[in-house]
Amino acid sequence: GAVVSQHPSWVICKSGTSVKIECRSLDFQATTMFWYRQFPKQSLMLMATSNEGSKATYEQGVEKDKFLINHASLTLSTLTVTSAHPEDSSFYICSAVQAGVYNEQFFGPGTRLTVL
Amino acid sequence: DAKTTQPPSMDCAEGRAANLPCNHSTISGNEYVYWYRQIHSQGPQYIIHGLKNNETNEMASLIITEDRKSSTLILPHATLRDTAVYYCIVRYSGANSKLTFGKGITLSVRP
Repeated sequence: GAVVSQHPSWVICKSGTSVKIECRSLDFQATTMFWYRQFPKQSLMLMATSNEGSKATYEQGVEKDKFLINHASLTLSTLTVTSAHPEDSSFYICSAVQAGVYNEQFFGPGTRLTVL
Repeated sequence: DAKTTQPPSMDCAEGRAANLPCNHSTISGNEYVYWYRQIHSQGPQYIIHGLKNNETNEMASLIITEDRKSSTLILPHATLRDTAVYYCIVRYSGANSKLTFGKGITLSVRP
């Protein structure tokens, strides 16, 4: 089946630093990837749509200068949280679209970010 | 995208069938019904999807009413590992079509 990986699985950083999270589709090419954020006891919230070779499309209320997304290849998208603060601590999850009749989305295992 | 409504929680006994309902009364003609589940602290896992016909795979069955306003996900023999939050989502099939997650239904499988 379609496999999506994320790295790192967890990260702890100091306030003010930047953190990069990678999302890879391991056995298929993904023109489109999505980035989600999930706070404790809440549902997933879509942050942005990432299309290979073009700028990401951000959801309302998501700061594009704070959450930098790069989708430079058909198997890799990165999310960089710039100048992280404690309120950015969350579970970040990516998904990748396997192109086909149904364009199904497959999710990565998530990255737990803790900002001290 | 059309919205869905699900009960907040349900439980079932291990080995019995778990029937998870979902209402999507405003679904459009070309929107699919998708089911995902999320086990604690993991990424969501795709389960099944359908348009108007009933579907079955190795994980579950999806029963969609004739008017497509509701559906039921059936786990035929629930195990403790099926304890999770189950999300019913309607979505177009386009590559850029988003998945909008609601609160889902928390299924607890008891021994």
